[in-house]
Amino acid sequence: EVQLVQSGAEVKKPGESLKISCKGSGYSFTSNWIGWVRQMPGKGLEWMGIIYPGDSDPRYSPSFQGQVTISADKSISTAYLQWSSLKASDTAMYYCARYSGYDRRMYYFDYWGQGTLVTVSS
Amino acid sequence: QSALTQPASVSGSPGQSITISCTGTSSDVGTYNLVSWYQQHPGKAPKLMIYDANKRPSGVSNRFSGSKSGNTASLTISGLQAEDEADYYCCSYAGSSTWVFGGGTKLTVL
Repeated sequence: EVQLVQSGAEVKKPGESLKISCKGSGYSFTSNWIGWVRQMPGKGLEWMGIIYPGDSDPRYSPSFQGQVTISADKSISTAYLQWSSLKASDTAMYYCARYSGYDRRMYYFDYWGQGTLVTVSS
Repeated sequence: QSALTQPASVSGSPGQSITISCTGTSSDVGTYNLVSWYQQHPGKAPKLMIYDANKRPSGVSNRFSGSKSGNTASLTISGLQAEDEADYYCCSYAGSSTWVFGGGTKLTVL
């Protein structure tokens, strides 16, 4: 059974750094792109970026380029989303999701993590 | 890269049909058939309902269907049921390994 399990909720102060994780199981982790999606309180889904765990090749939405870093460690089947200096506006639920596809193709998100709530407040 | 345009809300009575539109541009919806639709209930992760504009994953009710014409994709739900009340999001490939979501539509079953 394919599963994506995300790390737990975080409460941070502005200016702090943070790295949240998404651990895949039940499939070959290196063979599918993993994406990150933001959902601010009461708002819609926003596509942030993706990574191909096979070679840690990241791609970013122009809106999030330079604001976050997406990485992966294929040895432990885990993808990461990190911030170097959080802002209050980073408060949101963050989902990881797996792209269906093969040979580096991406078609749609077929499996989702449970979400990680990040709260940034002084 | 702007969000795809969806109506903020739609509503219908049980048994009726509703359609949610998703309007993009020639850079995303108009060029690629890689349009998917997701259902999200409050406090839950999104769930895939339609992919490749008009294909339904196994396990999804055949009351859900998708279509695409030009720069606009559509999700139709027939025989509305109370459990269909949720937020719905479209998503399209936008080139250069990037994707874009729609703003979301809240479906209310009256």
